[in-house]
Amino acid sequence: LAKTTQPISMDSYEGQEVNITCSHNNIATNDYITWYQQFPSQGPRFIIQGYKTKVTNEVASLFIPADRKSSTLSLPRVSLSDTAVYYCLVFPRGGYQKVTFGIGTKLQVIP
Amino acid sequence: NAGVTQTPKFQVLKTGQSMTLQCAQDMNHEYMSWYRQDPGMGLRLIHYSVGAGITDQGEVPNGYNVSRSTTEDFPLRLLSAAPSQTSVYFCASRARQGASGNTIYFGEGSWLTVV
Repeated sequence: LAKTTQPISMDSYEGQEVNITCSHNNIATNDYITWYQQFPSQGPRFIIQGYKTKVTNEVASLFIPADRKSSTLSLPRVSLSDTAVYYCLVFPRGGYQKVTFGIGTKLQVIP
Repeated sequence: NAGVTQTPKFQVLKTGQSMTLQCAQDMNHEYMSWYRQDPGMGLRLIHYSVGAGITDQGEVPNGYNVSRSTTEDFPLRLLSAAPSQTSVYFCASRARQGASGNTIYFGEGSWLTVV
C-alpha cells in the first residue's frame, strides 16, 4: 500500500474553494487514488476516484499530475456541511485486501 | 439496499466481559474488514477477510477474534473486554474486482465503552 501524506487539518470560510493535496511518492503503476469523506459519528464514504488527469463528479474534483506522485481533492464553494475528515487512499483496484487509513485531513468550514 | 449493517450501535461492557459485534452486508462483497477509530488516531484495521473461511490480522488484532462462515457475515468478538478497547468500531466491505473494486462501504459504527 502506497504511503500517503496529507495535512492534518485545514480551515476554510464558507463559499471558498478548498484544495487538499495528498502526496504518494511510491505510487505503483496499477494503483488508483481514492478519497473518502467522514462526518462526525458516521462511517467514511467514497467521494471520488481517479487514475490520472482530472476527474469530476457532483461532489468534488480530483486533479492528478502526470507523474501521479500527488493528487489534489478540490471542493468547490464549501458550506458548513462539508466540515468532515477527508482521507486519501492509494491501492490497486481489486485484489488488494489490507486497506489501511491514515489520520486524514480534518476540514473545518467557518461561517 | 441495506448495505453494511452493524449491531449493536451502542454497548457498555464491564472489564472482562465478552461480546460480539455483528456485521452483515447484502452486496455479495468478497472483502470485509473491521476498523476501530479512536480520537486523533484515524481508522486502524483490526481484522479482515477476503472470503468465506479466510481471515487475517490487521494492524491492531490483539484482543479480538473474527470468523467468516458466510459471505454476508463477519462478526467481531471481544474475548475479555478491557478499557483500552473503548472505541468506535466500523465494519466495511468491498468487491474484489470490477469497476467498483476500490469503493469501500462502511457500516454506521458501533460505540463501545468498557468500564
